[in-house]
Amino acid sequence: GAGVSQSPSNKVTEKGKDVELRCDPISGHTALYWYRQRLGQGLEFLIYFQGNSAPDKSGLPSDRFSAERTGESVSTLTIQRTQQEDSAVYLCASSEAGARGYEQYFGPGTRLTVT
Amino acid sequence: AQKVTQAQTEISVVEKEDVTLDCVYETRDTTYYLFWYKQPPSGELVFLIRRNSFDEQNEISGRYSWNFQKSTSSFNFTITASQVVDSAVYFCALPFNNAGNMLTFGGGTRLMVKP
Repeated sequence: GAGVSQSPSNKVTEKGKDVELRCDPISGHTALYWYRQRLGQGLEFLIYFQGNSAPDKSGLPSDRFSAERTGESVSTLTIQRTQQEDSAVYLCASSEAGARGYEQYFGPGTRLTVT
Repeated sequence: AQKVTQAQTEISVVEKEDVTLDCVYETRDTTYYLFWYKQPPSGELVFLIRRNSFDEQNEISGRYSWNFQKSTSSFNFTITASQVVDSAVYFCALPFNNAGNMLTFGGGTRLMVKP
C-alpha cells in the first residue's frame, strides 16, 4: 500500500517568508508525528497528533511553528517568518496508534532551505 | 530525562567485515521500547527493529543482530559480512515519555562499506 508522502520534496524560501509543509499519513494510522533533522544530526521531535486528541506541541522550537491535522488525515506544518536556522529536513511519520512501541513509518521528508 | 547516545559518528569498513554500532541509553522508565532505524542516502528512514525492555533475548535477522543489555543500558547492532548496500546512517531511538510514542533519537552513526 501507499506509504507516508510529503510535499514539496524541496523548498527554497527567503528569510522572513512563511512556508507550509504537507504530510499524507498511511491510511488508517491514527498517530502522526513531525520531526526535524538538521544537517548531519539526529531527529528532533516537533509535534504529535493522536486521533482527535489535542496535539502534543512540546517539541515546537518557537511560536513561529504550528501544525494542524484534519481528523486522521493530512497534516500541515507551518513556519512563519522563516529564519536561516529553520533550514533542515522536515520528516513526517505515522503509526497505527500512539501508544509506545508502535512502529513509525517515515515519509521522504521536505528539505527546507532558507536563504 | 530520556537520552540516546551513539558515540560512533562514522565507521568505515571493507565489504564482508563485521561491524558493530553502539547505542547507550538513559531512561527513567522501568519498561520501555528501543528502536533502530536505517537512513540510506535516499533519506527515508527505514524501521529495522523494536525491542521491549522485558525481553533481553538477542535477536537475529539475516545478517543483522542486536544485543540488548539492560544492565549496561546498551542496545548494540551488529552487521555480519557487511555489504556496500549497508552504507547508511543508523539511528537508535526510544520514546521520551509515557504520554505517547514520540521518539528521542541518538545522533546517528554513518556507516560506509567500501568494496
